[in-house]
Amino acid sequence: DARVTQTPRHKVTEMGQEVTMRCQPILGHNTVFWYRQTMMQGLELLAYFRNRAPLDDSGMPKDRFSAEMPDATLATLKIQPSEPRDSAVYFCASGILAGGPYNEQFFGPGTRLTVL
Amino acid sequence: GEDVEQSLFLSVREGDSSVINCTYTDSSSTYLYWYKQEPGAGLQLLTYIFSNMDMKQDQRLTVLLNKKDKHLSLRIADTQTGDSAIYFCAGESGGYNKLIFGAGTRLAVHP
Repeated sequence: DARVTQTPRHKVTEMGQEVTMRCQPILGHNTVFWYRQTMMQGLELLAYFRNRAPLDDSGMPKDRFSAEMPDATLATLKIQPSEPRDSAVYFCASGILAGGPYNEQFFGPGTRLTVL
Repeated sequence: GEDVEQSLFLSVREGDSSVINCTYTDSSSTYLYWYKQEPGAGLQLLTYIFSNMDMKQDQRLTVLLNKKDKHLSLRIADTQTGDSAIYFCAGESGGYNKLIFGAGTRLAVHP
């Protein structure tokens, strides 16, 4: 049963600390998305990659957030330094984009981040 | 870019039909999608419709698309307690690469 995995599932940290969230996309998927979900803002796209190359990170605060794909089986989202306003659920999703329009994304279970 | 709007809450009685509505702005979306999010979980694709279709039916789900008004709806027949979830409408932006999600409609099903 192929699925997207995310670690950790929950993270509580103090303001100023570095946070790293990890995602393992479904094997064979060539696109990875990072989203943030809050009650106030809903679901926001932070960044996405195709074939490990960043395509768009315009939704991400550049001064403290960074996203990378060191290899095809791992995507990371880092926040340094973290702030209380970063508290949210962070979702990773993967999919196959083959140049056509169909765009199903498979979501992981999310990382619930609380910054005190 | 795409903007997607939907109502935030819907409460229905078990066995009744639920209709969740969505409006979008970008008429170039080739597909429009409905995702479901159950408590504590990620989103899961529920159904989708190709933009040249007016209606798509899949078991208890019916999707209606009004391209002129840029209006999309999801009808769930014989709504069950297991249908209680948040439903997200999504359209495409940026040449198929990105999905833009609405705020989500929280469906509550009561006996």
